[in-house]
Amino acid sequence: AQTVTQSQPEMSVQEAETVTLSCTYDTSESDYYLFWYKQPPSRQMILVIRQEAYKQQNATENRFSVNFQKAAKSFSLKISDSQLGDAAMYFCAYWALGRLYFGRGTQLTVWP
Amino acid sequence: DTEVTQTPKHLVMGMTNKKSLKCEQHMGHRAMYWYKQKAKKPPELMFVYSYEKLSINESVPSRFSPECPNSSLLNLHLHALQPEDSALYLCASSQEYRVGPDTQYFGPGTRLTVL
Repeated sequence: AQTVTQSQPEMSVQEAETVTLSCTYDTSESDYYLFWYKQPPSRQMILVIRQEAYKQQNATENRFSVNFQKAAKSFSLKISDSQLGDAAMYFCAYWALGRLYFGRGTQLTVWP
Repeated sequence: DTEVTQTPKHLVMGMTNKKSLKCEQHMGHRAMYWYKQKAKKPPELMFVYSYEKLSINESVPSRFSPECPNSSLLNLHLHALQPEDSALYLCASSQEYRVGPDTQYFGPGTRLTVL
């Protein structure tokens, strides 16, 4: 069974600082993809970043980057230069065979 | 353009009402999804349509009836709902079902309240 674990229900960060959100997953599949989605109070699930499991290079999107450790089945998200607009619930998700499996989410608070 | 639209934004209905949720995408995606999300929980998959055919029904009660009239449009018909069905209903679409990387793009959701 596919499971995704986010061990930090809540995190907080000062504006302009860096924060890392943790995610681990369990799978026996060889072909899969990993995602981080952000859901602000406006409710819309917004894709933050995507990582293909077959790629060794860590994905980067502007201030967002991942640390993908395939052997350890770990997929953490680093947010650099945090902004007030980054405050949201962050969901880690694992995709395989057409299904998205979500973690329980990490609520990120950004302090001015 | 990665836009998925949903209407209405909010819906309040009684347990005897019939209503419908609508989802639309114009990205040429051939897979569309309905999710249900309770507060502070991850989305739960309800239905998947691939090429306008129902591919997955996650044992959803029959009071929820999906419909995919064409490749751009997805409806969710609601009838005789229960108060515990109150939730955020999210629609998503992706290029192809089961073909990676199958990035799903989500709509803004419909907040449903059942009285």
